[in-house]
Amino acid sequence: DIQMTQSPSSLSASVGDRVTITCRASQSISSYLNWYQQKPGKAPKLLIYAASSLQSGVPSRFSGSGSGTDFTLTISSLQPEDFATYYCQQSYSTPPLFTFGPGTKVDIK
Amino acid sequence: EVQLVESGGGLVQPGGSLRLSCAASGFTFSSYWMSWVRQAPGKGLEWVANIKQDGSEKYYVDSVKGRFTISRDNAKNSLYLQMNSLRAEDTAVYYCAREVYYYDSSGYGQGGAFDIWGQGTMVTVSS
Repeated sequence: DIQMTQSPSSLSASVGDRVTITCRASQSISSYLNWYQQKPGKAPKLLIYAASSLQSGVPSRFSGSGSGTDFTLTISSLQPEDFATYYCQQSYSTPPLFTFGPGTKVDIK
Repeated sequence: EVQLVESGGGLVQPGGSLRLSCAASGFTFSSYWMSWVRQAPGKGLEWVANIKQDGSEKYYVDSVKGRFTISRDNAKNSLYLQMNSLRAEDTAVYYCAREVYYYDSSGYGQGGAFDIWGQGTMVTVSS
């Protein structure tokens, strides 16, 4: 089974900061990596698919990169509405099975 | 409006059963793989099960195999999760989610993602 890890598990940042979150897969998953944002009490929201493609309607301050085993989600200038928990998720497995990372909580410094 | 609405959650004793439903609207339900994803209180997301458009393929996370059954009724635009032999560790918010598969300009698959989620329904397993 493919395992996903994320770092850091939490971070504190200020509005306007550049924030980077890392996700690592236990084996190569090519670019089959997605990123989600979840706010308390709400369902997750898809931000990035296929490692670097921005989901429709998502602000351009969000970007993704990476391939193989190492991936990054970057928020170029943190906004108040971006304080949330972020999850990576792999979709490489066949048949279609999915694994999420443990999450990274971004809160206010 | 594209929407998923879950129902059927509640409090159940260990060993009991519960059936969750998810009503889809605003899109052609029969054209999509569908999944259930859960989140235990204060914990991360865990994919539980999914089902192909025509119901011919179903897959489960190991921890629920033999206990949970996913199904769908395309005529009713509905997704279901039958949960039997429930355990305390099944306590979670259960989300239904639409799977979408992406392809690049060459037609090469880029994997799947969950692009539409319901609001979730809480399942509590406790005596």
